[in-house]
Order: sequence, then structure tokens, then C-alpha cells
Amino acid sequence: GQNIDQPTEMTATEGAIVQINCTYQTSGFNGLFWYQQHAGEAPTFLSYNVLDGLEEKGRFSSFLSRSKGYSYLLLKELQMKDSASYLCAVVYSGAGSYQLTFGKGTKLSVIP
Amino acid sequence: ETGVTQTPRHLVMGMTNKKSLKCEQHLGHNAMYWYKQSAKKPLELMFVYSLEERVENNSVPSRFSPECPNSSHLFLHLHTLQPEDSALYLCASSQDTPPRGGMGYEQFFGPGTRLTVL
Repeated sequence: GQNIDQPTEMTATEGAIVQINCTYQTSGFNGLFWYQQHAGEAPTFLSYNVLDGLEEKGRFSSFLSRSKGYSYLLLKELQMKDSASYLCAVVYSGAGSYQLTFGKGTKLSVIP
Repeated sequence: ETGVTQTPRHLVMGMTNKKSLKCEQHLGHNAMYWYKQSAKKPLELMFVYSLEERVENNSVPSRFSPECPNSSHLFLHLHTLQPEDSALYLCASSQDTPPRGGMGYEQFFGPGTRLTVL
């Protein structure tokens, strides 16, 4: 299977900036998602990257380097409500097949 | 109803029971998915349907049987489950799927069914 690696837990202070990293295998790569999941709730979409570079959406930005098999999610001006798990998911496809592999998620705790 | 709905929200069943999970999407999407989420494990993709045809089955045991009668509805039929099958089962939909689909990859998730197998 494809391995997706991201840190298990992170803690950051309200108002600060935090970067959550994700590394993956590059063979058959066809895009990378970041999802947010609050405890007891369904995941919600944050971003999708398929080309190298930085995508910015308000307080959240996502970066991708295809050659390095690396992505990060950057959260600015952290708020208490940002405490959640952040899931990195990679699309692998080709020859009519489709595979979406999720990492184990990074549990972010925002403290006052 | 809007978005993706799932019923029931909670289900307790014995190992010899037969039950079904239902998912309905009101977004006009072409693709639907079943996921399993267990404690301390990554979200696992189980089945993918695109335009009512199964695109992918990620080596899921035959005690899980999906059915997609139309692009708005998806079922997961359960029979002779094991206690280790206890998990949150999530349904999702998207505009399309790769490799055919373009940028419509964003998936919208339902609230999930919390399944407990005794």
C-alpha cells in the first residue's frame, strides 16, 4: 500500500501559526487533499493540490512539492475552534484505477 | 434535506444479524464512497461508485456488500460481521472521480453510522 506520514499530535497557541507536514510516496500521484475533522464529526474539505506551489484560502494555506513527495498545511491566526484532526489524503490513479489513501491524521490542540 | 445524509446514525448488531446502512446525497454528484474509520487508524476507503458502477473495491471482506441503485443512493449491506468491524462508517460523494473527473474531487461526507458488533 501507499504510506502517508504525518505527525500524530501538535500543540499551538491561540493567535500563532502552525505548519502540519505530510509526506507520501510519489508513484501514480494524482493530487493531495487536506481535510479537517472535529471530534465526533465528519471530515470537511480544506484544500486540494495537484500542482507544485502554495494555495491560499484565508487563514489556511496548503503547499505541495511533487518531486519531494511533501505537502504542508499552514494555519495562521489560530483560533480555539481550529482544535481538530487534520487529515492528509493522496489520490493515486492510472489505467482506470483509483485509490485514495489517508494518513492517520494530526490532532491539533490550540491552547490559550 | 441537504448535503449527504446517512441512516441509521447508530447501530448495534449481533454477529449473526443482517442489516443495511443507507446513504443519500442531494448534491447532484456522480460519485459515492464508503469509508471505515476505526479508532487510531487512518480513514479507510472501502468502495467507490461512479455513475452507479463500482470503480474500486479495496479488498474489503465479502461480509460487506455495497449497492448503488442510482447516483443519489448508496447502501452497505452487512452480514455475519465480526466485533473488529465495529467502527464509524462514513459515506461521501463528489462531482466525479479521477482519472475521468477534472477538478471535482472534493468529497462531501455524511455524518456517519456508528456501528457496534457484539
